[in-house]
Amino acid sequence: KAGVTQTPRYLIKTRGQQVTLSCSPISGHRSVSWYQQTPGQGLQFLFEYFSETQRNKGNFPGRFSGRQFSNSRSEMNVSTLELGDSALYLCASSPGGASKPSGNTIYFGEGSWLTVV
Amino acid sequence: AQSVAQPEDQVNVAEGNPLTVKCTYSVSGNPYLFWYVQYPNRGLQFLLKYITGDNLVKGSYGFEAEFNKSQTSFHLIKPSALVSDSALYFCAVRLLFSGAGSYQLTFGKGTKLSVIP
Repeated sequence: KAGVTQTPRYLIKTRGQQVTLSCSPISGHRSVSWYQQTPGQGLQFLFEYFSETQRNKGNFPGRFSGRQFSNSRSEMNVSTLELGDSALYLCASSPGGASKPSGNTIYFGEGSWLTVV
Repeated sequence: AQSVAQPEDQVNVAEGNPLTVKCTYSVSGNPYLFWYVQYPNRGLQFLLKYITGDNLVKGSYGFEAEFNKSQTSFHLIKPSALVSDSALYFCAVRLLFSGAGSYQLTFGKGTKLSVIP
């Protein structure tokens, strides 16, 4: 069974540009979350999608957005890139679907390394 | 607010000795707790989780974790450390919301484990 797949793995962008990162969750998983990892701030939650709907959102500016498709694949977009957006962006997948929190494991991909110059 | 603390930025241990990586948490209600490991330039790998039941949880690669409700701790332990265990370890708590389920994790800052040959 394939794990969580993120593309691209590495990319370099210029300030002011925008970037789109992609995530394919584990087959059958319907919840996809995104996290930003930086040396200074650690791992911070960006947002979570379930059945094409944003279910939860972290404390990030509106430049950060995401979406989820009917096949559960997800993309996140960062517009007007700033130097501080340089980070490892991690996607996580989980079965989801419970109306109440369950003990499902949350699995992470290898991440997308974004460098803004 | 729910939070996780990893009081040690770095832990050094000799190969073959037991290791402990500490984690304390603060949550409302019953916690769902996780440990992840991150190797250089990689994503997060799931090690183990505590949902309910036995306070001693067994995970991957010989790791275990001890849940202590009275001390609100969830320490990661291994009886005999290997050089290959050298990595960054993250403790996380799953946030619980009334109503809709959510798979948002709050992470500690991480502890760098160095196993010395």
